[in-house]
Amino acid sequence: GAVVSQHPSWVICKSGTSVKIECRSLDFQATTMFWYRQFPKQSLMLMATSNEGSKATYEQGVEKDKFLINHASLTLSTLTVTSAHPEDSSFYICSARTQGANTGELFFGEGSRLTVL
Amino acid sequence: AQSVAQPEDQVNVAEGNPLTVKCTYSVSGNPYLFWYVQYPNRGLQFLLKYITGDNLVKGSYGFEAEFNKSQTSFHLKKPSALVSDSALYFCAVRDMPSGGYQKVTFGTGTKLQVIP
Repeated sequence: GAVVSQHPSWVICKSGTSVKIECRSLDFQATTMFWYRQFPKQSLMLMATSNEGSKATYEQGVEKDKFLINHASLTLSTLTVTSAHPEDSSFYICSARTQGANTGELFFGEGSRLTVL
Repeated sequence: AQSVAQPEDQVNVAEGNPLTVKCTYSVSGNPYLFWYVQYPNRGLQFLLKYITGDNLVKGSYGFEAEFNKSQTSFHLKKPSALVSDSALYFCAVRDMPSGGYQKVTFGTGTKLQVIP
């Protein structure tokens, strides 16, 4: 299947700093990528849909200025957590669909564990 | 609005026994249904999907799922559980509108514990 790479896997930062997480589709082009947040023992919460060459579509309740998403190419989307605080500590997962595919399965990155001190 | 329910937070099964992880769904049209597995501190891995056709879908690692339209269910099954199957399992549904944005909705997850 298609491979999605996410980096970094783990990141620890100080409160008030910004952290960037990268999501790359390695062997396919992804016009659309998705960013999820997962709290302990909970399901995935869709944060936003990242569209190549255009603005991301954010889900209700997700702060656009807090979670900056950029999808500059067909193989790369980035999520930047700005001015991070301890409550932003979470597991962030990206996913992508292969371009043009309508059958729908998502391919997920390995996730990024963010800890804000 | 579409939704997915996984009624069991955790399922325990002895190694070698058959396992079932339950999932029911609600959509306005015809559904795309998926099962994913997540190991600790990892992303999700695709197991299988139902789009159309045969109601019994076979997937990775010996898993299968049965689509039941009348009961709006898509339970995940395996004839003989392995300890290595212990993980978190997510059911997901994607509606099939005629156009526009198609969002995938995930269930709350079921932790499968296979006991040696």
